[in-house]
Amino acid sequence: NAGVMQNPRHLVRRRGQEARLRCSPMKGHSHVYWYRQLPEEGLKFMVYLQKENIIDESGMPKERFSAEFPKEGPSILRIQQVVRGDSAAYFCASSLTGFNTEAFFGQGTRLTVV
Amino acid sequence: AQTVTQSQPEMSVQEAETVTLSCTYDTSESDYYLFWYKQPPSRQMILVIRQEAYKQQNATENRFSVNFQKAAKSFSLKISDSQLGDAAMYFCAYRSAYNTDKLIFGTGTRLQVFP
Repeated sequence: NAGVMQNPRHLVRRRGQEARLRCSPMKGHSHVYWYRQLPEEGLKFMVYLQKENIIDESGMPKERFSAEFPKEGPSILRIQQVVRGDSAAYFCASSLTGFNTEAFFGQGTRLTVV
Repeated sequence: AQTVTQSQPEMSVQEAETVTLSCTYDTSESDYYLFWYKQPPSRQMILVIRQEAYKQQNATENRFSVNFQKAAKSFSLKISDSQLGDAAMYFCAYRSAYNTDKLIFGTGTRLQVFP
């Protein structure tokens, strides 16, 4: 039983480039959450998706950030025109029903913008 | 909106001793869940223990136990017989029982364990 898989584990981008972070949820899970962890801080909720739907994007920055969870394939967190302040660890978690069920975390993607 | 506060940025303990990490939270909801997660240098978020607000009994998992004070909105983690492998960041988290599985995290406490 594979857990939540995130790739890549490390990603380096130059300022202005695009970053694409992938998350494959646990088998059978159709609910995905993305969190961002800035250096020396806790995880902050960004967005909650079900297959083909964004349910809650209250934590997403208004510009340059987008997320999707297509019918087939992993969830993608996309950051356009990255800036130094986007450097952080991005975590994905998945849960079975999205309500009162445990969320399982991936190992995160560390994004470094140079 | 709910908030979670961890007022101890760093704590240290000697191997085999006991340490308590503090967490307070603020909510107007009556039913919710509280969690402690461990984050070692590998960055993997590991669930340590979970407490359901409607349960009065404090949760226990082997050497880890909590002191849940609902009226005071306090949720501390006690680690007994500390081991070198317990060294990590520890995050307290809140989840509503009325909403999605979204978690609200505190800022974390870095625990050092000395031999």
